[in-house]
Order: sequence, then C-alpha cells, then structure tokens
Amino acid sequence: AQTVTQSQPEMSVQEAETVTLSCTYDTSESNYYLFWYKQPPSRQMILVIRQEAYKQQNATENRFSVNFQKAAKSFSLKISDSQLGDTAMYFCAFMKPWSGMGAQKLVFGQGTRLTINP
Amino acid sequence: DTEVTQTPKHLVMGMTNKKSLKCEQHMGHRAMYWYKQKAKKPPELMFVYSYEKLSINESVPSRFSPECPNSSLLNLHLHALQPEDSALYLCASSQVVPDRQDNTEAFFGQGTRLTVV
Repeated sequence: AQTVTQSQPEMSVQEAETVTLSCTYDTSESNYYLFWYKQPPSRQMILVIRQEAYKQQNATENRFSVNFQKAAKSFSLKISDSQLGDTAMYFCAFMKPWSGMGAQKLVFGQGTRLTINP
Repeated sequence: DTEVTQTPKHLVMGMTNKKSLKCEQHMGHRAMYWYKQKAKKPPELMFVYSYEKLSINESVPSRFSPECPNSSLLNLHLHALQPEDSALYLCASSQVVPDRQDNTEAFFGQGTRLTVV
C-alpha cells in the first residue's frame, strides 16, 4: 500500500518570504502521479501543482515549484514570494496510474497548515 | 465548467433521521468519489464510482449508502448516523483514464458540513 508522509504539521512565514513544504512517500510503483492540493478556510480542495513520476523535470506553476527526487521518494513544494492568500492547509497526494480496474484513488498525507503573516 | 457542486452546504440531523447529500458535475468525468474529512485531518476515501458502478468501498458502515443515478450525479444517503459521523463530506470527480497528464486532476466540491446530534 502507498503511504504519504508530511512531517511538518504547521509552518508560519512572513509575507513575501519563500517557504518549502516537505513530503515523502512510499511505493513500489515505477510510474505514478504526485500532487499538492491546497485547502483554504473556504474548504474547497484546489490543485496547486502536479508531477508525473517518469518526468524528471520539476513542475512549476507561477510562484509554486516542486523538488521531485524519485530515488529518495521526496516531493517538496516551494512557494516563492508568499502571499496572504496562500494561507491554507496543504496536502501532498499520490495516485497510481490507471490499471484497467477503474478509477484510482488519491492517497493524502496528513497535511501542513501554512500561515502567511503580514 | 470545472465545478463540482455539493448540496446542502450545511446539514444538522438527528440520529434517527434519513437525509441525502448530493453532488453534481458537468465535466464529463466518469469517476466520482466520496471523501470524509474530520477537522485538521486529511480526506479519507469512502467510495469510488467508475462509469456509474461502485468500484471501491473502503469498508464504510452500511448507514452510509452511495448512489450514482447517472454520469453527472452522485448521492450519499444517510440513515441512523452517530455523532462521530459528524464531519465534512467532500465529493470529487475525475477522468477514469487520463489521456494526458493534465487530465489526472481530481476536482473537489466545497463539501457538506454534517453535524449529527
């Protein structure tokens, strides 16, 4: 079974600073998908960034980038120039590729509560 | 339209009540999910439907009964719930078979905050 571990329950930084959230995972699969989802107080889970395991290039989306280390099974999220609106719970998630047996489930880490202070 | 709509947003029910949660999407997704989320915890998968058929049941108690009447709708019927079932219930949808990387995303609704009294 796949497991996802986020070792930082809470983090807090000042606005405009850079912050890195850690995530490690365990799997025997060679190809898979990794995601960072954000859940603000509004409750809706929003995709921040995704990475396909066979792609060595790290994904980037504007101020968000990942450091994907496949051998180390590590998938950290870097937020540059942090903004007040980045305050949220961040979940790292893993998904196996389609196997012919129907939809795959997302496996979530425990989450990191990130607070951006003015 | 990239929305997953859940109704109601809030629900208070007694332990003898029967109620239903509803979820709707019009993105053509053929996979739909129910997750349960307790405060400060990650979402826990309850059920997955693929092509309107139940494909995953994570050993959920029978007081929760899912239904997928068509490819756009997902219901969760609730009966004889316990106070510990109070939680945020999230619905999500996705492609069953992503044809490219940017189709792998699961879209989530805003959830139904359920309180059992």
